[in-house]
Amino acid sequence: DQQVKQNSPSLSVQEGRISILNCDYTNSMFDYFLWYKKYPAEGPTFLISISSIKDKNEDGRFTVFLNKSAKHLSLHIVPSQPGDSAVYFCAASARSGGGADGLTFGKGTHLIIQP
Amino acid sequence: DTAVSQTPKYLVTQMGNDKSIKCEQNLGHDTMYWYKQDSKKFLKIMFSYNNKELIINETVPNRFSPKSPDKAHLNLHINSLELGDSAVYFCASSQRGSGTAGETQYFGPGTRLLVL
Repeated sequence: DQQVKQNSPSLSVQEGRISILNCDYTNSMFDYFLWYKKYPAEGPTFLISISSIKDKNEDGRFTVFLNKSAKHLSLHIVPSQPGDSAVYFCAASARSGGGADGLTFGKGTHLIIQP
Repeated sequence: DTAVSQTPKYLVTQMGNDKSIKCEQNLGHDTMYWYKQDSKKFLKIMFSYNNKELIINETVPNRFSPKSPDKAHLNLHINSLELGDSAVYFCASSQRGSGTAGETQYFGPGTRLLVL
């Protein structure tokens, strides 16, 4: 039972254009969302995050939007650059009383930036 | 000056063997985690440690046991390895963890385990 879903296994975008990666979740207890970027043979690298009290967070070329009513978030990258080609994972965590939170990950979307 | 490091990077072994994977973080974080990425590329939480206490133990076989000699290290011991244990194992750490949702986790480079 996937609680975090990334329905697009891959996405191809032309260099300079906007890349939009989508993520849906089912667990209403999730209150913190993160995007990670992963190159082959490396560990996931933290990109950007958003708390459920916000609906937008921006960091340079990266913006994450959260729509709580739709249980949907998206990552916008503009302009897209060749170095952005990687697998992007959406992750979520839920507040747990007195314990550390493991992240629940989606399956990832492979973003390919075309020159 | 690697933040989260793991050794070895690759591990090839025979079924039935016992092996360990080491993880160290130099970020001064309080909580460390182990994740498994299976053949379907899902990253799933296995364990987390906070102040030397096991916080999360998902449905992981008891052949897997985390050991934390100190706050900067969380090693993963695997006994009687099985073919299905072949996967990439990632270590991670975060600054806090006790009841604090929203702590960003930082990942190591992964250990690719192949059981023959």
